[in-house]
Amino acid sequence: QVQLQESGPGLVMPSQTLSLTCTVSGGSITSGSYYWTWIRQPAGKGLEWIGRIYTSGSTNYNPSLKRRVTISVDTSKNQFSLKLTSVTAADSAVYYCARVIVTTWGYYFDYWGRGTLVTVSS
Amino acid sequence: QSVLTQPPSVSGAPGQRITISCTGSNSNIGAGYDVHWYQQFPGTAPKLLIYVNTNRPSGVPDRFSGSKSGTSASLAITGLRAEDEADYYCQSSDTRLSGFEVFGGGTKLTVL
Repeated sequence: QVQLQESGPGLVMPSQTLSLTCTVSGGSITSGSYYWTWIRQPAGKGLEWIGRIYTSGSTNYNPSLKRRVTISVDTSKNQFSLKLTSVTAADSAVYYCARVIVTTWGYYFDYWGRGTLVTVSS
Repeated sequence: QSVLTQPPSVSGAPGQRITISCTGSNSNIGAGYDVHWYQQFPGTAPKLLIYVNTNRPSGVPDRFSGSKSGTSASLAITGLRAEDEADYYCQSSDTRLSGFEVFGGGTKLTVL
């Protein structure tokens, strides 16, 4: 059973960089043709897709966040990471990592981490 | 403003059938992209409920079903139970700007 666990600071200062890591257990991050993704959810609001990465390092990002987002992978540690620069209060949210299944016509998310709350505040 | 449109809330009595709609456009659902559904209880991560329009992961009761037609999709729940009270989100892909994933705004299901 694949498990994902987010980790990182729960408080980030405005204009700084938010950095989170997702550790995958129960299987190798490189096994199978999976992508790995970050999704966030502001308090009381809906889900927003941030971006995804393949274990080759290939990435796709939400156009609305593309200028500020970097997703990377460390296969030796079975981890992938998120960096979001120049954060504001609007970036405060629960951040989820998830595994991505590729279909003929799209992608979906079958395993999710529990999420980690990040608050942007001074 | 979500790319996919869902009703903010639906309600039903135990035992009833409800449906939740998910309306997109010709750049996502109407372009042929699959629709997937997630169930989320307060304070927990979303859980995959329906994948590739109509398929249920192992462990999801057959009371839950999905359909897709044109630029829309629907989630149906029959034999409504109190434990179905949760938020439900649809998700698809979009062709604009090299393609990206989009969610509906979510629907709060209340079991009366």
